Amino acid sequence: GEDVEQSLFLSVREGDSSVINCTYTDSSSTYLYWYKQEPGAGLQLLTYIFSNMDMKQDQRLTVLLNKKDKHLSLRIADTQTGDSAIYFCAERAYGGDYKLSFGAGTTVTVRA
Amino acid sequence: EAGVTQFPSHSVIEKGQTVTLRCDPISGHDNLYWYRRVMGKEIKFLLHFVKESKQDESGMPNNRFLAERTGGTYSTLKVQPAELEDSGVYFCASSQRGTLQYFGPGTRLTVT
Repeated sequence: GEDVEQSLFLSVREGDSSVINCTYTDSSSTYLYWYKQEPGAGLQLLTYIFSNMDMKQDQRLTVLLNKKDKHLSLRIADTQTGDSAIYFCAERAYGGDYKLSFGAGTTVTVRA
Repeated sequence: EAGVTQFPSHSVIEKGQTVTLRCDPISGHDNLYWYRRVMGKEIKFLLHFVKESKQDESGMPNNRFLAERTGGTYSTLKVQPAELEDSGVYFCASSQRGTLQYFGPGTRLTVT
């Protein structure tokens, strides 16, 4: 199966850390991605992780992958108002099939 | 380097009419994808081109949708005749290989 699940909403105070969670069902996933969609804009590739990795850090972003539980998370440190957006988790299955399976997106609201 | 561009940004048509969406991928990207997000749900894969060939069209909802990529450069997605349930945001993405897909800003289609 290619189901990807995310919680729909997250509210966080400016300066705190945000953690966005995602679960997936396809055990053959090779790459997992986080995309960001700001209001009125397209999808921006934020970061990605290969399935043989447990963690990837990129400035304020930390991606954690628990392959056993098929759980992916994105942590944003020192959340800013510019981080308010919809965050989509996506997976790509193994093999020559390049299509991505997305979750419904988590709307993150940063409050002052 | 220019990103993926899509035209129009927004289209409002009546049920039964025809609409053609256009996507210009990043120069040099052989892989081109169409996705759709309907009513705030997950983003779903429609199809994948490699150059001018359809590699995977498993996500195309029905034969009212026709995608082309003549010459292996830009692509068009035609909906004829449009139905109410076709309303949503249509995203195009491109990639050099399959790992990193870069998305355009999307076309918001409203069928009334």
